Amino acid sequence: AQSVTQPDIHITVSEGASLELRCNYSYGATPYLFWYVQSPGQGLQLLLKYFSGDTLVQGIKGFEAEFKRSQSSFNLRKPSVHWSDAAEYFCAVLGSSNTGKLIFGQGTTLQVKP
Amino acid sequence: EPEVTQTPSHQVTQMGQEVILRCVPISNHLYFYWYRQILGQKVEFLVSFYNNEISEKSEIFDDQFSVERPDGSNFTLKIRSTKLEDSAMYFCASSIAGGRGDTQYFGPGTRLTVL
Repeated sequence: AQSVTQPDIHITVSEGASLELRCNYSYGATPYLFWYVQSPGQGLQLLLKYFSGDTLVQGIKGFEAEFKRSQSSFNLRKPSVHWSDAAEYFCAVLGSSNTGKLIFGQGTTLQVKP
Repeated sequence: EPEVTQTPSHQVTQMGQEVILRCVPISNHLYFYWYRQILGQKVEFLVSFYNNEISEKSEIFDDQFSVERPDGSNFTLKIRSTKLEDSAMYFCASSIAGGRGDTQYFGPGTRLTVL
């Protein structure tokens, strides 16, 4: 069965420091992968997505993610974190049934220290 | 920028009561979804809906749940007889196309509390 694992439940970084949030997926074929962000009281907002092609994808708000098939990973990175990046981050994979079903990881809560 | 809206933002109900959660998807979108997130747990898929039919539903989406697009703009989730374990945040989402990873746009959610 398809699944997504985000090993880090909670991460704290200092403002201006770099960030990497980990995501591992389980899927036999080439996956469609997504990162969403959820700020308090808000819905989920898409940061970026990977379908095919270049394995390094750029997203909004200065985020990028790299697809590594050999490691079944799709880690999210940002070179310099801002206080406004504090939120919960979800990695997701598109279900194989092709009905649009997204399968989410547990989420990682990012705290930013001043 | 168009957005998905949901009402109410918070619903409190007694166990056994029926609730209807409402969503207004983005106007030119054709695919609609409901997800839920129990506090402290991951976001879980409930159902996808296209062309007035359910495309896929999860094991969670049993006979107590139903969805409807009654008037071409609203998309509703009904829980017939709520249980304590239905307490969760419910998210509606919509997309122009389904499958192939078309971007799903999420609403802000309705927090359902069952007492």
